Amino acid sequence: SYELTQPPSVSVSPGQTASITCSGDRLGDKYACWYQQKPGQSPVLVIYQDNKRPSGIPERFSGSNSGNTATLTISGTQAMDEADYYCQAWDSSTAIFGGGTKLTVL
Amino acid sequence: EVQLVESGGGLVQPGGSLRLSCADSGFTFSIHWMSWVRQAPGKGLEWVANIKQDGSEKYYVDSVKGRFTISRDNAKNSLYLQMNSLRAEDTAIYYCARCHSSSWYHDYWGQGTLVTVSS
Repeated sequence: SYELTQPPSVSVSPGQTASITCSGDRLGDKYACWYQQKPGQSPVLVIYQDNKRPSGIPERFSGSNSGNTATLTISGTQAMDEADYYCQAWDSSTAIFGGGTKLTVL
Repeated sequence: EVQLVESGGGLVQPGGSLRLSCADSGFTFSIHWMSWVRQAPGKGLEWVANIKQDGSEKYYVDSVKGRFTISRDNAKNSLYLQMNSLRAEDTAIYYCARCHSSSWYHDYWGQGTLVTVSS
């Protein structure tokens, strides 16, 4: 079965750039999207179709997807960006989520 | 405003059944695929099932095949998940989510309903 692998945790200083990776076999051939989830809240879509931002998502969020890796980049990271982030793709009509990455802003 | 409101969660014994509902408003429900996604306590997101606009196609994660059934009523703008033969490992918050089939992402999520399977 298809799997997506994310690092369990990433740390970043305020104002710096955070990069969260998501790896899967030929992931670049599929569309990847990313969700942000803060404690006690529902997931929020932050990137879809590899690199598009939904309305209301700050420009500091960007995405890329090539080869076996999709990357979520947060430029000028703010304290409010501290959350869990999940990548997601589809394979054989099923949705696959990565294991999630806890982003710590310190 | 798009709203997805789940209900029907609760405490159930192993082997029992539960039916979750998701009432949707603020968008044309009948033109969207819909999904159920769950999250066990302290764990990550796991897609459970999805259903095509007219209900003619349904897909499930292997761990629930034969036990869970996804359905919808477009006249009532509602999504359902019938869960039978429940196991402790089904304990989770269950979210309904709108699925955008252009590139397969979930753009709106409900607040979730907690299902606890325990004796």
